[in-house]
Amino acid sequence: DVKVTQSSRYLVKRTGEKVFLECVQDMDHENMFWYRQDPGLGLRLIYFSYDVKMKEKGDIPEGYSVSREKKERFSLILESASTNQTSMYLCATSQGALGTEAFFGQGTRLTVV
Amino acid sequence: RKEVEQDPGPFNVPEGATVAFNCTYSNSASQSFFWYRQDCRKEPKLLMSVYSSGNEDGRFTAQLNRASQYISLLIRDSKLSDSATYLCVVNHSNDYKLSFGAGTTVTVRA
Repeated sequence: DVKVTQSSRYLVKRTGEKVFLECVQDMDHENMFWYRQDPGLGLRLIYFSYDVKMKEKGDIPEGYSVSREKKERFSLILESASTNQTSMYLCATSQGALGTEAFFGQGTRLTVV
Repeated sequence: RKEVEQDPGPFNVPEGATVAFNCTYSNSASQSFFWYRQDCRKEPKLLMSVYSSGNEDGRFTAQLNRASQYISLLIRDSKLSDSATYLCVVNHSNDYKLSFGAGTTVTVRA
């Protein structure tokens, strides 16, 4: 079974803090994604990566950055957390190009106070 | 306009009923289509892919209408365990990204 593991289920951070969300997968998948999920808006893509050290902006990259130094690990960084970044963050992986299944981590619920 | 739009519901149906709902997508170049299921406080998981000719998986039937740019999901003989949010997902022809709808909530009652 594909396993996608996010480092935390719940996080509470203060406004202005730098926040790291980690995602690790064990299936040697090429593609990794970070989404945030908010009620009524669904999943929105923040950043994705299709290879080590490669990254591409998604639909809402502002206020975020990412790092992919190793194939199995994809980190999402909030440089200076703000209250509007309170959300559920989901990491996903897939193999190859279009038409393949995405596997998700269990999610990190981040609250910025 | 959102890339993928769904009726949020909720659809409240009794056990054994049939429930169906649609999803529309805006990009005519979309190539791959999926339904994902998300249980409360859980991550999304693939329910089924949607093929041009339509396809069935047990009690679930998915249809694609390219001319009108919508896909549908029909659940027959609903079970309590079918209660979930169903996410419509679309993949374009030239990139790796998946576009998600906001989800349709289905609640099956005893």
